[in-house]
Amino acid sequence: AQSVTQLGSHVSVSEGALVLLRCNYSSSVPPYLFWYVQYPNQGLQLLLKYTTGATLVKGINGFEAEFKKSETSFHLTKPSAHMSDAAEYFCAVSEGSGFQKLVFGTGTRLLVSP
Amino acid sequence: GAVVSQHPSRVICKSGTSVKIECRSLDFQATTMFWYRQFPKQSLMLMATSNEGSKATYEQGVEKDKFLINHASLTLSTLTVTSAHPEDSSFYICSAPQGVVGTEAFFGQGTRLTVV
Repeated sequence: AQSVTQLGSHVSVSEGALVLLRCNYSSSVPPYLFWYVQYPNQGLQLLLKYTTGATLVKGINGFEAEFKKSETSFHLTKPSAHMSDAAEYFCAVSEGSGFQKLVFGTGTRLLVSP
Repeated sequence: GAVVSQHPSRVICKSGTSVKIECRSLDFQATTMFWYRQFPKQSLMLMATSNEGSKATYEQGVEKDKFLINHASLTLSTLTVTSAHPEDSSFYICSAPQGVVGTEAFFGQGTRLTVV
């Protein structure tokens, strides 16, 4: 079975600082990996995804993530945090060979201070 | 991108009543949809897979008689919480995969259910 571990339930950064949200996964098959953002009382918005090919994936709002198979990691980064980035971030791995089901991590709340 | 619409966004119901939540794919057909549940400050947990034209597949520990799922058409799946109790209060969200390869699942806006 696949699983996702997100280290740190909360991450606090200052505006303009580097954002690093950690995600490690476990999968017996080549994984599809996703990062989603959730604003309060809203659904999930896809930030970026890795399926195959280039291991550095660029997403929306300046976020990017790098798939490292040797480390089973898919950490999310952004060079400079903005106040509007404050939200809950979920890393997910696709169960099975495709997209059908997503197994989510427990989420990381990003706090951005002025 | 593809759009998945979920309705209602919020609902408050009395204990013992039933509540229906709709999930629609607006601009694509979805033979499969997924229903997730999110408790406060927790992650999303898959409840069931809705299959058009056949019975839903429930995850372990999810009561199929309590959470009725009907995939009536290629664009609509419904989740009915029957005989709701306060412990059913949660955030319910659906998703539908789309695309030729189907490497992405689009999520609805979610439904905040409060049972009083």
